[in-house]
Amino acid sequence: QQQVKQSPQSLIVQKGGISIINCAYENTAFDYFPWYQQFPGKGPALLIAIRPDVSEKKEGRFTISFNKSAKQFSLHIMDSQPGDSATYFCAASITGAQKLVFGQGTRLTINP
Amino acid sequence: EAQVTQNPRYLITVTGKKLTVTCSQNMNHEYMSWYRQDPGLGLRQIYYSMNVEVTDKGDVPEGYKVSRKEKRNFPLILESPSPNQTSLYFCASSLSRGLLTYNEQFFGPGTRLTVL
Repeated sequence: QQQVKQSPQSLIVQKGGISIINCAYENTAFDYFPWYQQFPGKGPALLIAIRPDVSEKKEGRFTISFNKSAKQFSLHIMDSQPGDSATYFCAASITGAQKLVFGQGTRLTINP
Repeated sequence: EAQVTQNPRYLITVTGKKLTVTCSQNMNHEYMSWYRQDPGLGLRQIYYSMNVEVTDKGDVPEGYKVSRKEKRNFPLILESPSPNQTSLYFCASSLSRGLLTYNEQFFGPGTRLTVL
């Protein structure tokens, strides 16, 4: 049973375009939603995270949009660059529990 | 440099031959965890440890063992590996400071295991 569902599995975007990756969760106890970025041959690294008391968080070209009532959150990458080509994982956690539940991952390719 | 290290990075073995993947962190983190990454399934937690001598099962613990005798080390043991354990394995660590906080998990570089 996948507690966090992520889509699409793969995504190709032209340089300068907007990349959008979506996630949905089931457990309403989740209260911390990070996104991890993984380059080939490397471990995942925290990119940006949000708590459900806000609907949006922006860091540079990366924005998380959060819809608590729909139990959905998404990552938007503005002005996508070839260096953003990587696999992206959404995740969910409960504060204090430390455990991360990951989505299936999205392989993003930015064409120059 | 603050980091999580794993060894070996690549391993090819045969069914039934016991193996250990080591994990070490130099950040004095209490929490450590092992994940396996499989295509289409994301990362799934195998075992985790909240502190020395405290370990517990994650979502996919079957066929794996762990130990936490020292704070910095958290080895993953496969007593009798099988082909369905062919996967990419990641160790991660984080601070664990109370019930009201979430602390970033730092991941190692991964170990690609093939069981023939």
